[in-house]
Amino acid sequence: NAGVTQTPKFQVLKTGQSMTLQCAQDMNHEYMSWYRQDPGMGLRLIHYSVGAGITDQGEVPNGYNVSRSTTEDFPLRLLSAAPSQTSVYFCASRRLAGGRTDTQYFGPGTRLTVL
Amino acid sequence: GNSVTQMEGPVTLSEEAFLTINCTYTATGYPSLFWYVQYPGEGLQLLLKATKADDKGSNKGFEATYRKETTSFHLEKGSVQVSDSAVYFCALSELTGGGNKLTFGTGTQLKVEL
Repeated sequence: NAGVTQTPKFQVLKTGQSMTLQCAQDMNHEYMSWYRQDPGMGLRLIHYSVGAGITDQGEVPNGYNVSRSTTEDFPLRLLSAAPSQTSVYFCASRRLAGGRTDTQYFGPGTRLTVL
Repeated sequence: GNSVTQMEGPVTLSEEAFLTINCTYTATGYPSLFWYVQYPGEGLQLLLKATKADDKGSNKGFEATYRKETTSFHLEKGSVQVSDSAVYFCALSELTGGGNKLTFGTGTQLKVEL
């Protein structure tokens, strides 16, 4: 059981480049989300999805796009990277039926640097 | 809006010392409360949770009690080990009109020395 997997683990981009951060889970979780972690700011929600074909914005969505074509995958796209997007990105998933009490499972993270 | 406030770190303790990491929250409804732990180079793992007032969550010797009257969820451990060195995040989860999401504190780094 792999849980939540993320690729790549590390990435360096130049300003203006685009890339996609991959996230996959094998637990059949309906709810998936992306967070960014910055020093002194904890984790902030970027986008989330409650099922295939359904996505919504979180706290800091600007500069990021998402789509959810399958239950398993939830990629995060940076269309034109900016230095302000240098961060560690975490993908997470959980069951939808558990609501606010259910455990979220986190991937190992992607450390992104934008020069 | 919802918010979580944690004590700033780093917290440095000797092995077998008593640990307290303070966490207070602000929420408009009835949140669930969580402590997550992040070991170096890894993602976050759930450490413990409590879903209603006066519940006590516990795991691996760590405990936290949901105190509605003081809006707190302080993390405690009676005797820390070097392997407990990590960053600890307090978080709350609440159903809102915009969806269900976790709100995290800024994290507290714990360093345990021999």
